[in-house]
Amino acid sequence: AQKVTQAQTEISVVEKEDVTLDCVYETRDTTYYLFWYKQPPSGELVFLIRRNSFDEQNEISGRYSWNFQKSTSSFNFTITASQVVDSAVYFCALSEGSSNTGKLIFGQGTTLQVKP
Amino acid sequence: DTGVSQDPRHKITKRGQNVTFRCDPISEHNRLYWYRQTLGQGPEFLTYFQNEAQLEKSRLLSDRFSAERPKGSFSTLEIQRTEQGDSAMYLCASSLARVRDEQFFGPGTRLTVL
Repeated sequence: AQKVTQAQTEISVVEKEDVTLDCVYETRDTTYYLFWYKQPPSGELVFLIRRNSFDEQNEISGRYSWNFQKSTSSFNFTITASQVVDSAVYFCALSEGSSNTGKLIFGQGTTLQVKP
Repeated sequence: DTGVSQDPRHKITKRGQNVTFRCDPISEHNRLYWYRQTLGQGPEFLTYFQNEAQLEKSRLLSDRFSAERPKGSFSTLEIQRTEQGDSAMYLCASSLARVRDEQFFGPGTRLTVL
């Protein structure tokens, strides 16, 4: 069965610290897609990144980086030099290629608080 | 280019009443999704449309829930005989045609059933 686990419920850091949000997924599909979304206090989910199961290259976008490891079924997200504006709930999500619907299976989310 | 819009943003209703929510997707997107999010949880899939066809419904979607997407444009989600357990944020998302395409979410409709 498909599942996404974000074991960290809440993380609190001081501004400029680096922080890593963990995501572990379960799927029997060989083709699947992984996503990270940000949900700021305003409530609207904002797309951050998509990774497909055939591409294990890590990705960096500014202060954000993602580490995809199929061997451990993990897709972790690191924010370097965190800022107060990074405070939000972050969701990891999985979409299975076999379903053909693209529906997302979300983890429970990690609440990140960045203190000044 | 406007994003996904939802109306209303907030709805308070009494138990037993019917409510209807509307979602307007990004215009060129032919896939439309409804999700439900309760406090402290991630969104849960409810249903999916490809153009006007409703192709999948979650077991979460009881027979009191119905969704439509006439003409493949906007979509409505109706809940009949609301219950307190229906209180949640209802999120709409849209995407292009491919499974791998990212979904863009609207601001949600927060439903409170008294």
